[in-house]
Amino acid sequence: KAGVTQTPRYLIKTRGQQVTLSCSPISGHRSVSWYQQTPGQGLQFLFEYFSETQRNKGNFPGRFSGRQFSNSRSEMNVSTLELGDSALYLCASSVTGDTEAFFGQGTRLTVV
Amino acid sequence: AQKVTQAQTEISVVEKEDVTLDCVYETRDTTYYLFWYKQPPSGELVFLIRRNSFDEQNEISGRYSWNFQKSTSSFNFTITASQVVDSAVYFCALSEGFTGGSQGNLIFGKGTKLSVKP
Repeated sequence: KAGVTQTPRYLIKTRGQQVTLSCSPISGHRSVSWYQQTPGQGLQFLFEYFSETQRNKGNFPGRFSGRQFSNSRSEMNVSTLELGDSALYLCASSVTGDTEAFFGQGTRLTVV
Repeated sequence: AQKVTQAQTEISVVEKEDVTLDCVYETRDTTYYLFWYKQPPSGELVFLIRRNSFDEQNEISGRYSWNFQKSTSSFNFTITASQVVDSAVYFCALSEGFTGGSQGNLIFGKGTKLSVKP
């Protein structure tokens, strides 16, 4: 059974650019959540999608957005990148959100 | 306000020692869930356990055990006879919200880095 796949694994972007990260959940999982991990702030919840609808949202500026497609794949977008957006972005999928969540290996974004 | 505190930033033990990782949480909800995750160097978070606020029974799974005490708002994790492969960062997390058990909106502690030396 394939796990959660996040692409790309590594990304370097310049300040002011925008970036799109992708997450393919485990087959049959309808809930996808995104987290940002930085050394200073630790792991912080970005948002959760369930059946193409955003169900929960963390405390991040509007530059961070996401969406989920009908096949449950999800993307998150960060516009007008700032140096502080450099982080490991983790995606987690679960069947309904209240079942065990499985995490991908993350996308490491570096903003220069 | 919800909060998870893992006071131990780093712990170093020698193989076969027992080690306890502390987790203290704050929440106003009466229904909530607590989790432990392991993050090896490869980066992905590995689910270890989920416990709801109504179930204070301790749990044991092999060398792992968890002690949940609502009276002290703690959910501690003990590894018995530690092994080098246990070296990782361990996170405690709390979930509230309309789907209490949802792992879609987790509040994480800062993590405890465990190093097990041979």
